[in-house]
Amino acid sequence: DAKTTQPPSMDCAEGRAANLPCNHSTISGNEYVYWYRQIHSQGPQYIIHGLKNNETNEMASLIITEDRKSSTLILPHATLRDTAVYYCIVPTKGSYQLTFGKGTKLSVIP
Amino acid sequence: DVKVTQSSRYLVKRTGEKVFLECVQDMDHENMFWYRQDPGLGLRLIYFSYDVKMKEKGDIPEGYSVSREKKERFSLILESASTNQTSMYLCASRPHQPQETQYFGPGTRLLVL
Repeated sequence: DAKTTQPPSMDCAEGRAANLPCNHSTISGNEYVYWYRQIHSQGPQYIIHGLKNNETNEMASLIITEDRKSSTLILPHATLRDTAVYYCIVPTKGSYQLTFGKGTKLSVIP
Repeated sequence: DVKVTQSSRYLVKRTGEKVFLECVQDMDHENMFWYRQDPGLGLRLIYFSYDVKMKEKGDIPEGYSVSREKKERFSLILESASTNQTSMYLCASRPHQPQETQYFGPGTRLLVL
């Protein structure tokens, strides 16, 4: 998997937007960016993925820079239940494996 | 909604016991995976299966075996449990390429005494 870099931790006030950055400067042209999160003691949960266009679903928005070297996951109105570790992953094309790094621990504060 | 279920959330076993962890998915996915997760080590792939009766070793297959007799079910077997197999075990499933999204189960926390 292409290497990704994320800040180890972030805080966000409840009700505000949480913007989680990820650098993936070695990404190849046909590789997608995936975001997962893991709430304590639960299995990872898929959030969103994208190739080059911005994406939005019911959980979040994904903004990918034009050069595709970085992306930002946006949780528009963070709640306490969004407290989790967020992982940005770029799977190697054709590989079965997902490699989870250390991710960003997001704490949503009341 | 994709649903991946695991047979137990918590399990306590003794050293030397044979342990079966079951995983079932309801989305007719071809690919299924077993990971273990340990603090500081992230998720590590144990085995995966891309079809019924097919299996491939992941990064840490030693001490484990798997079985996939039906498409929806993927079992992880610890032939003789050891204390260093105390961990969180996660099952995932995924349809065939090009879709790469993996869907995870809730996890089984195994304690080997």
